[in-house]
Parts: sequence; structure tokens; C-alpha cells
Amino acid sequence: NAGVMQNPRHLVRRRGQEARLRCSPMKGHSHVYWYRQLPEEGLKFMVYLQKENIIDESGMPKERFSAEFPKEGPSILRIQQVVRGDSAAYFCASSHLLQPAGTDYGYTFGSGTRLTVV
Amino acid sequence: QKEVEQDPGPLSVPEGAIVSLNCTYSNSAFQYFMWYRQYSRKGPELLMYTYSSGNKEDGRFTAQVDKSSKYISLFIRDSQPSDSATYLCAMRGSGNTPLVFGKGTRLSVIA
Repeated sequence: NAGVMQNPRHLVRRRGQEARLRCSPMKGHSHVYWYRQLPEEGLKFMVYLQKENIIDESGMPKERFSAEFPKEGPSILRIQQVVRGDSAAYFCASSHLLQPAGTDYGYTFGSGTRLTVV
Repeated sequence: QKEVEQDPGPLSVPEGAIVSLNCTYSNSAFQYFMWYRQYSRKGPELLMYTYSSGNKEDGRFTAQVDKSSKYISLFIRDSQPSDSATYLCAMRGSGNTPLVFGKGTRLSVIA
């Protein structure tokens, strides 16, 4: 089991370019979560997706950011017209379907994509 | 008030010490409580989880949840240099609601 795979590990973009981050969940996981981690900050929730559906995007900035999890292929987090403030580590996590009450296996995180905007 | 408060440290202890890490929270709907460990430039990995109030022990690690005080703790016994990492508390409500994380506490165990 390869775990949660994120690529690229490092991504450098110039201001105004687009950044595309990919995440393949663990085998058997159908729930994907994207988090952003700024230096000295905790993980901030961005968006929660299931296959072909966005379940909760309350943490996504209203502009320039979008996410998808198509029927086939990885989940994609897209940032258009990047700015320096978008520089951060972006983590993807996946989990099982709804757990029986009282049990939780938490999320399995990928190793992250470190985005640097120059 | 933030939903989850966690002292960022840094916390430095000698090898063999007992480490106590804590978080407080404000949302009474939280039912699942977790601790993650994150090494530098790596993704977080799940250490412990607890459902509702109570204690849970796993080797050198003990997690405690006091829902009446909205307070959770992680204890590390006989700390080792390999325990040096950032420890993040996380919690969520029922269903597949997203985990809410604390800022993390950076721990250094000195040999």
C-alpha cells in the first residue's frame, strides 16, 4: 500500500502563473481533504471532497483556488495567478468512509507539496 | 477565541523525561480527539486517537480527554531524542466533518 501520494514534492512558480497540485488517496479511501500549512502555523482546512463531489469548501479562498476529485484519477488543487502569500506546504489527506460510532482511524496524510512563489 | 488552542513551545526536555502536551478547545460538538506527530518537512502521522472522554495508552504514549473541561493531553514517558518533532492535536465532530488542528507544539528531546 503506497499510502497517500502527492506530487510534485516541490513546486516553484512565478507570480501570476498557475499551480496544480495532485493527490492520490490511499487505496480504498474515498474521502480527500486538502490542508495548507504556513510557517509556524498549524494545518488549516481548505476543502473536503468525495469522488466527483465537493462536500465542504468552507476553508477555500473565494478566488483563484479550486479543487476537484474526478471519477478517475487524482484529486487536483488548482491555484490560479499565484501570489507570494500562496507560498506554503499543501497537504492532502484521505480517510475511509464513515466510521462506526466510536471508532476513527483519522486521516492518512501525504508528504505534502511545498509551493514557492517567486 | 480560536476553536483549538495549543501552546507552540518550543519545549525542550532531557532524554528520559516525561513530556506533557496539551490543547484546549471551545466547540462542545467535538467527539473525536487525535494527536499527530510531524517531523520536519514531512506529513503528519497519526499517533493516538480517543473517542469522547477518557484515557488511552499505547506504549510510552497516553492520551487523555476531559470533555467537561474541554481539555486534552498527550503524555510521553521515557522520552527519546527520536521523539523530537512537532505534535499537533486535532479534533472533529460526528460524521466525516473535517479535522480541526491546533498550531502544534515543537518538542526537542536532548540526549
